[in-house]
Amino acid sequence: DIQMTQSPSSLSASVGDRVTITCRASQYISTNLNWYQQKPGKAPKFLIYAASSLQSGVPSRFSGSGSGTDFTLTISSLQPEDFATYYCQQSYSTPWTFGQGTKVEIK
Amino acid sequence: EVQLVESGGGLVQPGGSLRLSCAASGFTFSSYWMSWVRQAPGKGLEWVANIKQGGSEKYYVDSVKGRFTISRDNAKNSLYLQMNSLRAEDAAVYYCARCEIYYYDSSGYWGFDYWGQGTLVTVSS
Repeated sequence: DIQMTQSPSSLSASVGDRVTITCRASQYISTNLNWYQQKPGKAPKFLIYAASSLQSGVPSRFSGSGSGTDFTLTISSLQPEDFATYYCQQSYSTPWTFGQGTKVEIK
Repeated sequence: EVQLVESGGGLVQPGGSLRLSCAASGFTFSSYWMSWVRQAPGKGLEWVANIKQGGSEKYYVDSVKGRFTISRDNAKNSLYLQMNSLRAEDAAVYYCARCEIYYYDSSGYWGFDYWGQGTLVTVSS
């Protein structure tokens, strides 16, 4: 199985900050990497597919990059509604696996 | 508007069974792969199972193989998860999710584009 490791596990940031979350795959996954946002008590929301393509309706302050084994989610200017937990997920091979999550908290 | 509504969760004893349902609306259900994804309390997300449009292909995470069965009824726009021999570690919120494939740069990329609100399964004596 492909293991996905996110860093950091949590971070504190202020509104307007640039935030970067890293996701590393245990083996090559090309660009078969998705990002999701989850708020407490809610279902995950799909943000980015194919490592860097924004899902329809997602604000342009979100961006993704990377290929192979190393990937990044960047929020260019953190907004109040962005405080949440973010998960990466690989769809290169089954079982599809998720990272452990990165919680973005208010500083 | 795409809607996925899960039901069937509840409290079950270890070794017991439960059947989850997911009612889909707002899209052509029979055209999509569907999945179940779970989240244990305070933990991360875990993909559980996938099923192809007609039900001919099914895939499971190793930890549920032989105990869980994913199925669908396209006439009823419904997805199911039959869970047998339940264990404490199966306790979680179970989400129904639609699988979408995106074609980009001549390749296909899968993602879970719509999710239900989840149904809670508690396994305890």
